[in-house]
Amino acid sequence: NAGVTQTPKFRVLKTGQSMTLLCAQDMNHEYMYWYRQDPGMGLRLIHYSVGEGTTAKGEVPDGYNVSRLKKQNFLLGLESAAPSQTSVYFCASRTQWTSLTPGELFFGEGSRLTVL
Amino acid sequence: TQLLEQSPQFLSIQEGENLTVYCNSSSVFSSLQWYRQEPGEGPVLLVTVVTGGEVKKLKRLTFQFGDARKDSSLHITAAQPGDTGLYLCAGGSQGNLIFGKGTKLSVKP
Repeated sequence: NAGVTQTPKFRVLKTGQSMTLLCAQDMNHEYMYWYRQDPGMGLRLIHYSVGEGTTAKGEVPDGYNVSRLKKQNFLLGLESAAPSQTSVYFCASRTQWTSLTPGELFFGEGSRLTVL
Repeated sequence: TQLLEQSPQFLSIQEGENLTVYCNSSSVFSSLQWYRQEPGEGPVLLVTVVTGGEVKKLKRLTFQFGDARKDSSLHITAAQPGDTGLYLCAGGSQGNLIFGKGTKLSVKP
């Protein structure tokens, strides 16, 4: 029972380098999300997707890009990493959302990124 | 912009005590969820509330959704060390989901 899997789990980058975080879910969920978590800041939504081929901006999208070419995968890219992007990144997925049945969000274990 | 404010930010209590944490907003939410997160892991759903005034119980945890659907509370009776963790409320619309900053609870034996 894999659920939501994030790779890599740890990464150290130098300022200006690029990288991609991969999120894969095996629950056939329509909705997928990328959050970042910083001390005292809770979880902040970066981007999300409501289905294959769709993406939308969240609260803090600047400096990130995403793609959802396949339903099971949601990629988060950093084109030019900055120290301010040092954080723990969480991917999550859930079944189709309605106002009365928002559904459970299933999270991955997180990816810890350090930008020097 | 929808915002969720949680209080208190930190709470340290002794085993057996009762506590309440709050989640407030100036916006109306169609539903609110509570998650608990332990160190090194992703958050896990505890409950979803969808009706104003709704009360849900999960063993020693009691969740309430405000009548106006702008706030929610989590009450823990006779807290145990296993309740230690970060408690997050979450709400949203049209598919996105925002979180409060969380309440970090520590229950000491």
